[in-house]
Formats: sequence, C-alpha cells, structure tokens
Amino acid sequence: KNEVEQSPQNLTAQEGEFITINCSYSVGISALHWLQQHPGGGIVSLFMLSSGKKKHGRLIATINIQEKHSSLHITASHPRDSAVYICAVRSWGSQGNLIFGKGTKLSVKP
Amino acid sequence: NAGVTQTPKFRVLKTGQSMTLLCAQDMNHEYMYWYRQDPGMGLRLIHYSVGEGTTAKGEVPDGYNVSRLKKQNFLLGLESAAPSQTSVYFCASSPGTVDGYTFGSGTRLTVV
Repeated sequence: KNEVEQSPQNLTAQEGEFITINCSYSVGISALHWLQQHPGGGIVSLFMLSSGKKKHGRLIATINIQEKHSSLHITASHPRDSAVYICAVRSWGSQGNLIFGKGTKLSVKP
Repeated sequence: NAGVTQTPKFRVLKTGQSMTLLCAQDMNHEYMYWYRQDPGMGLRLIHYSVGEGTTAKGEVPDGYNVSRLKKQNFLLGLESAAPSQTSVYFCASSPGTVDGYTFGSGTRLTVV
C-alpha cells in the first residue's frame, strides 16, 4: 500500500466549478506539501502545511492531522488551472526528503 | 533569478554510455535532493545531501552516483546507462528539514 494516496486520479471540470482533491497518508508527518506540475513543466510548490488551513488566491489547502488527511480546493476554476496536483509528505525523522503521491490530473474545460 | 537550475534539459543516451546531470542552486540551501519521475508513479528519491561534502542513498540509488563538492552544486552521475533509467529527473533544494522546497525544471533522459 502506498504511504500517500490521492483521489481522484483524474478529474475533469467545467470552468467556474469548485474542485476538491484529496490526500490521505499513513505515516506520521512533520509537514505536508501540495505541488503543481503543468504538462512538460517543472514542479511548483503551492503550500506547505503542518496544521489547519492556508489560502492563496483561489487555492485553499486544509489538513487534519488526527485523520491523516488533507484537501486542496480550487474555487472558480479556470482552464489555466489544468495541471497535475501532487501531494507529498515529510515524515518524522526524515532528512527532509518527501514521500509523494501519484498525482491528480486536473483538466478544466472552458 | 534565484532558484534551482538543472542542465541539460533533454538528453538521449545509448545503453552503456555515461553522463552527469548538474543541479545548481543560488539560495544557499543546505539540503539537496535528486528524484526521478516515472509514469504512473510518484517521484522517488535517488540520493540526497544534507550539506557540502555529504551524500546519502535514497529509495532507488542503484545505477547512480552523486557528489556535492560545492554547496551550490549537486551532481548526479550515470556510469553505464540502462533503458530502465529512462525517466524525468528533478532536483530540489531546501534550507532545512522543516522548510519548503524549490524544484528545478527537470531533465528528460531517454536511454535507447
């Protein structure tokens, strides 16, 4: 079983829709990261969370440490949000390296 | 611009050839990492470094070597490339174990 599971694997939405991507993990963590990767592109860090909630523009990330679960929300989605969204965790005692989920491929149609 | 720079961006190798991927960061970060990304899998850690002159093995180190002679550079070497090493390679850096990451733009390597 993977230590970091994301759902759904693929997601298609219409422009303007509210989007939720979920991440569950099975290890104790010191932080959880949400990353964005555009087709053929590099990886950009969106959020680093250890508790609660963070917001940046139309993106909101939440984490529930007790339930070992995090969500990434996109409000008023736009075609430029089309990308792969990756959840990654930093486990306790690690040398800072991350354990990655397989990613959620989001496509937003105009 | 400050960040992580990877060279080259693309490379095609023949089986058995060797090459070195360079990762350079100008943010004075202590920690540097090499990951590989394969279809249908999450990124996997190859090797990492917690400071100049140090290196350590990650999850999938076989067939790779690394060096960190200068703090700003982290080199990934393939001594004898194999088709199984066809992948996209990402370098990342971080100030410490509780800080955020900065990723490079990736190197797409094909071994034929």
